[in-house]
Amino acid sequence: SQTIHQWPATLVQPVGSPLSLECTVEGTSNPNLYWYRQAAGRGLQLLFYSVGIGQISSEVPQNLSASRPQDRQFILSSKKLLLSDSGFYLCAWSVRTGTDTYEQYFGPGTRLTVT
Amino acid sequence: GQNIDQPTEMTATEGAIVQINCTYQTSGFNGLFWYQQHAGEAPTFLSYNVLDGLEEKGRFSSFLSRSKGYSYLLLKELQMKDSASYLCAVSAKSGGSYIPTFGRGTSLIVHP
Repeated sequence: SQTIHQWPATLVQPVGSPLSLECTVEGTSNPNLYWYRQAAGRGLQLLFYSVGIGQISSEVPQNLSASRPQDRQFILSSKKLLLSDSGFYLCAWSVRTGTDTYEQYFGPGTRLTVT
Repeated sequence: GQNIDQPTEMTATEGAIVQINCTYQTSGFNGLFWYQQHAGEAPTFLSYNVLDGLEEKGRFSSFLSRSKGYSYLLLKELQMKDSASYLCAVSAKSGGSYIPTFGRGTSLIVHP
């Protein structure tokens, strides 16, 4: 079966510090991968998605970047964190289950607090 | 752009039935997701509707009307553990991929 891992689970970082969040998927190949952010009391915001190695699409311009160095690895980074970067970061992957149907599953998430 | 609307909060009684509505406006629509999210946890996949009609999975059912831009999640025999936020997400074509866009979620409170 497929599983998705994220780490760390929680993180407290000072403003201006760098960030690296990692996500890996097991039990599938060539998944579509996604990074979302959920700020307190708000909906899920899609940050990046990737359909393959080295292929990254950005949905929201900001000081974050993403990379996909391997098929089942997705990394979210920042060179200098802002207070507004605080939130719950979720990695997700999707799999096609039919001609037009698919399912999307989330990792456990990383709760980031920028101080 | 996409516009997804769902009620902010609903309350219901244990053992009852509750229907959570979601309306949307989008181009390139493919399907609609429903997720359950307990406080402090990641969302859990419930359903993905592509075709019009009702799909049933145990106590949870999801309905879609593509022509009306409307979906609902039906929860039967409510239990206290069903207290959670329920997220509606529309999957629409963007470039060569289908990208989910989420509504703000409906917080369901189940009372004894």
